[in-house]
Amino acid sequence: KQEVTQIPAALSVPEGENLVLNCSFTDSAIYNLQWFRQDPGKGLTSLLLIQSSQREQTSGRLNASLDKSSGRSTLYIAASQPGDSATYLCAVLDSNYQLIWGAGTKLIIKP
Amino acid sequence: KAGVTQTPRYLIKTRGQQVTLSCSPISGHRSVSWYQQTPGQGLQFLFEYFSETQRNKGNFPGRFSGRQFSNSRSEMNVSTLELGDSALYLCASSLAVGPGNTIYFGEGSWLTVV
Repeated sequence: KQEVTQIPAALSVPEGENLVLNCSFTDSAIYNLQWFRQDPGKGLTSLLLIQSSQREQTSGRLNASLDKSSGRSTLYIAASQPGDSATYLCAVLDSNYQLIWGAGTKLIIKP
Repeated sequence: KAGVTQTPRYLIKTRGQQVTLSCSPISGHRSVSWYQQTPGQGLQFLFEYFSETQRNKGNFPGRFSGRQFSNSRSEMNVSTLELGDSALYLCASSLAVGPGNTIYFGEGSWLTVV
């Protein structure tokens, strides 16, 4: 059974720092891995989608990597800003074509 | 263009009642999926519809059901509500099914069962 783990559960950093969020999964048989952000009381916004054949994707200050063999993905946020404060979730599209979610990392960027 | 719209945004129901939640996908999107989010279990997949057909179903009891209409709008229904059904129910849409399709979420329907 696919399980997705995100570490740390919460992270607080000063504005301007670069940071890395981690996501691990137990079964490498995935179609893709996606990173989302969720603001309090809101739905989710897709940030990056990495196909199983890809190693990384970039969007602005965000860079996500995928290492299927080790079951790991990282989301790198450069030059963090207070507006980046949110919960970040990763999800894998598993062999049953279902999205399996991590519990999220709550990120606080201090001005 | 308009995003994914979910109604109602907030509702309170009593144990034993039933509830219907509605989702209007982004115009042109034919795939709609539903998720339940709770503090204890996190996000869990409920079901996915494409062209009025249920393509996939998560591990939820039969009290949870859904359907999709010819205009791609979708509804989900929960019968015989239990306290544990209190959650944020999220709907998402995408152009089509397949691993390359980005999914777009609505803001969710907050259900409280008392």
